[in-house]
Amino acid sequence: EPEVTQTPSHQVTQMGQEVILRCVPISNHLYFYWYRQILGQKVEFLVSFYNNEISEKSEIFDDQFSVERPDGSNFTLKIRSTKLEDSAMYFCASSASSGVTNEQFFGPGTRLTVL
Amino acid sequence: GENVEQHPSTLSVQEGDSAVIKCTYSDSASNYFPWYKQELGKGPQLIIDIRSNVGEKKDQRIAVTLNKTAKHFSLHITETQPEDSAVYFCAATDTGRRALTFGSGTRLQVQP
Repeated sequence: EPEVTQTPSHQVTQMGQEVILRCVPISNHLYFYWYRQILGQKVEFLVSFYNNEISEKSEIFDDQFSVERPDGSNFTLKIRSTKLEDSAMYFCASSASSGVTNEQFFGPGTRLTVL
Repeated sequence: GENVEQHPSTLSVQEGDSAVIKCTYSDSASNYFPWYKQELGKGPQLIIDIRSNVGEKKDQRIAVTLNKTAKHFSLHITETQPEDSAVYFCAATDTGRRALTFGSGTRLQVQP
């Protein structure tokens, strides 16, 4: 069964450093998403991406964040200058198409720890 | 924006009993309501969803009901098994937006 994959599973970084989280969405999916989950809290939407551009973003997704689809398979989230409060699980998700179907399939997540 | 409230935060049942988790939403434009199961160390897994044009949907031991007038929807798990133990999240969106708004989660523990 196709699945979303993410690398690395755990990333430790120093405050102020740049990190890139990588995702490979399900191959025939057209919509891509990033969500985050701070330990013990609810999953929060960050950004959605379609047709090589951001289609929606939340207030969390400020100028420190960017997304990119550098090739036909990868989807990345970059945090330019990490803060302590960026420590969280980051989940990538993808969904198939437009229309009423919006089934989003999530990857296993990357745990980001900012020291 | 949308706000989703979920309760209870924890639920403990005996194996074989039923479990019910309830969510309410605030945005009347929301029309898609998925439920996710999250096991320790894993990403959320879609287990069932419902769209606003139906009131109930079943898939084996799992069912979801939707009351659009009251803006609430519920997950029902019958004949619970120890492997049902996990955190369950409800979510809501309207298909024009796509961004899911999640509830705060329910930790379900099924006692053998």
